[in-house]
Amino acid sequence: DIQMTQSPSSLSASVGDRVTITCRASQGISNYLAWYQQKPGKVPKLLIYAASTLQSGVPSRFSGSGSGTDFTLTISSLQPEDVATYYCQKYNSALLTFGGGTKVEIK
Amino acid sequence: EVQLLESGGGLVQPGGSLRLSCAASGFTFSSYAMSWVRQAPGKGLEWVSAISGSGGSTYYADSVKGRFTISRDNSKNTLYLQMNSLRAEDTAVYYCAKGGEPVGAAAGLLGYWGQGTLVTVSS
Repeated sequence: DIQMTQSPSSLSASVGDRVTITCRASQGISNYLAWYQQKPGKVPKLLIYAASTLQSGVPSRFSGSGSGTDFTLTISSLQPEDVATYYCQKYNSALLTFGGGTKVEIK
Repeated sequence: EVQLLESGGGLVQPGGSLRLSCAASGFTFSSYAMSWVRQAPGKGLEWVSAISGSGGSTYYADSVKGRFTISRDNSKNTLYLQMNSLRAEDTAVYYCAKGGEPVGAAAGLLGYWGQGTLVTVSS
């Protein structure tokens, strides 16, 4: 089974900072990688799919990159409303796997 | 507007059974794969099971294989999860989620989620 490993598990940054979250697959998954945002007490929301394609309505300060085994989610200028836990997910097969999550807080 | 409404959660003893339902509306239900994803209290997301749009193909996480059964009734626009031999570690909020297509890779893109139903396994 392919494992998805995210780092860091949590981070604290200031408003306006550039934030980067990484996700590593234990085997190559091409670009079948999605990112989800879960705000406190809320349902997960699809942010990015195909590693770098923004879901409709997602602010342009979010971006994704990577292919194969190494992927990155970047928030170019952190905003207070971005406080959330972010999860990567591979979907190259019917057996889906989520990463462990990265909790983003404001310093 | 896509709507997914889970029901059937509750308190059950270890070894017991529960059936979750997810009523879907706002889209052509049979045209999309569906998944169940769970989240234990204070923990991350764990994919549980998926089913193709026709219902002909089903998939399970190793942690629930042989104990849980996913099914769907396309005439009723409803997804189900039959959970047997429940364990304390099955305690979680269970979400149903809509895939991006009936089969194939995008079937695993979970673009819409329900609000979840809490399952608590405890004596």
